[in-house]
Amino acid sequence: ETGVTQTPRHLVMGMTNKKSLKCEQHLGHNAMYWYKQSAKKPLELMFVYSLEERVENNSVPSRFSPECPNSSHLFLHLHTLQPEDSALYLCASSLLGGTGELFFGEGSRLTVL
Amino acid sequence: GDSVTQMEGPVTLSEEAFLTINCTYTATGYPSLFWYVQYPGEGLQLLLKATKADDKGSNKGFEATYRKETTSFHLEKGSVQVSDSAVYFCALSFKETSGSRLTFGEGTQLTVNP
Repeated sequence: ETGVTQTPRHLVMGMTNKKSLKCEQHLGHNAMYWYKQSAKKPLELMFVYSLEERVENNSVPSRFSPECPNSSHLFLHLHTLQPEDSALYLCASSLLGGTGELFFGEGSRLTVL
Repeated sequence: GDSVTQMEGPVTLSEEAFLTINCTYTATGYPSLFWYVQYPGEGLQLLLKATKADDKGSNKGFEATYRKETTSFHLEKGSVQVSDSAVYFCALSFKETSGSRLTFGEGTQLTVNP
């Protein structure tokens, strides 16, 4: 058990669908992150939430919409995605003021048809 | 900007062979350094870390030493097992009050054959 749980683990959606990815951390952390992992590309930081406030949005298209209702939960709302958005989406959490390490979930594998 | 460069993979070894995966970084200041491992179908797991120069991180037989002079953090293991087959990522971060910004290398695929 990683302490960071992501659901669903696999998701297939059409370009006109709306879906959400969910992340929950049980580590008492106060910062949460979304990363995108595509084949043959480095991990890309998408969003950072610190104390439930979004502090970073790395030029991510508006078809990705994050939500952090409390320090334990993070969502990524998806709508009108493109096939190139197919990737593994990784959620992570950390403790502010710690040594900077992130704790990752197992990822949600998204396929956009 | 900050960056991490890892040796290109894939790396294929026989069981019990010695492993080195090179990692060098470019950063202003002194970051914390990490090695993460990703097993097939899973997320990233922290393997080891070092937060200051000359620190040695170690875990599960893997080691890496923070070398400020050569800006390196090479991963080593004396005797690899089939179960070590995975992708290994080197990363750096600076402490920030608004959360960590990990910069990752591109990953090195390791395959260990029996």
